[in-house]
Amino acid sequence: NAGVTQTPKFQVLKTGQSMTLQCAQDMNHNSMYWYRQDPGMGLRLIYYSASEGTTDKGEVPNGYNVSRLNKREFSLRLESAAPSQTSVYFCACKNYPNTEAFFGQGTRLTVV
Amino acid sequence: RKEVEQDPGPFNVPEGATVAFNCTYSNSASQSFFWYRQDCRKEPKLLMSVYSSGNEDGRFTAQLNRASQYISLLIRDSKLSDSATYLCVVNGRTGTASKLTFGTGTRLQVTL
Repeated sequence: NAGVTQTPKFQVLKTGQSMTLQCAQDMNHNSMYWYRQDPGMGLRLIYYSASEGTTDKGEVPNGYNVSRLNKREFSLRLESAAPSQTSVYFCACKNYPNTEAFFGQGTRLTVV
Repeated sequence: RKEVEQDPGPFNVPEGATVAFNCTYSNSASQSFFWYRQDCRKEPKLLMSVYSSGNEDGRFTAQLNRASQYISLLIRDSKLSDSATYLCVVNGRTGTASKLTFGTGTRLQVTL
């Protein structure tokens, strides 16, 4: 059971480069989320998708875009990477409103 | 004020000790509550849900006080393997989705 799969696991970008972080879940969950985690800041919500075809901004959306490609996949795009986007990115999914979320293994991104 | 606040620690305790973590949240409309565990450089994983009636899972006991907007986690007979960061998580609704808000985490180090 894969659960939530994120690719890549590690990435180094130069300032100004673009890239897409991929996330796929095989749990048949409706909602998907992208978080970033920085030291001392906890996990902060970037974007979320309540269901296929919908996306909404979270707490820190600036510099990012997302696509909910289908029920399984939710991608996060950095159009022009900045050093401030150096972070660990986690994708998560959940089904019913008051249930827990399940996380992917994370993508460690460094922007130099 | 942060939506979810935790003491960052670290809590350094000897094996066999009892340790308690506390968490407060600001949104009185929050609907569900969780404790997650995060090991170094890994994704967060659900430890347990938290209910108003209190709930216990082996050595772990969680309590919720809605009136005080306060959540606690008690770990009895600490093991070396309990060393990790414990995240307090609060679930509320936003738009069409439910949204998990994370505390910054409390780090626990159990020593011999």
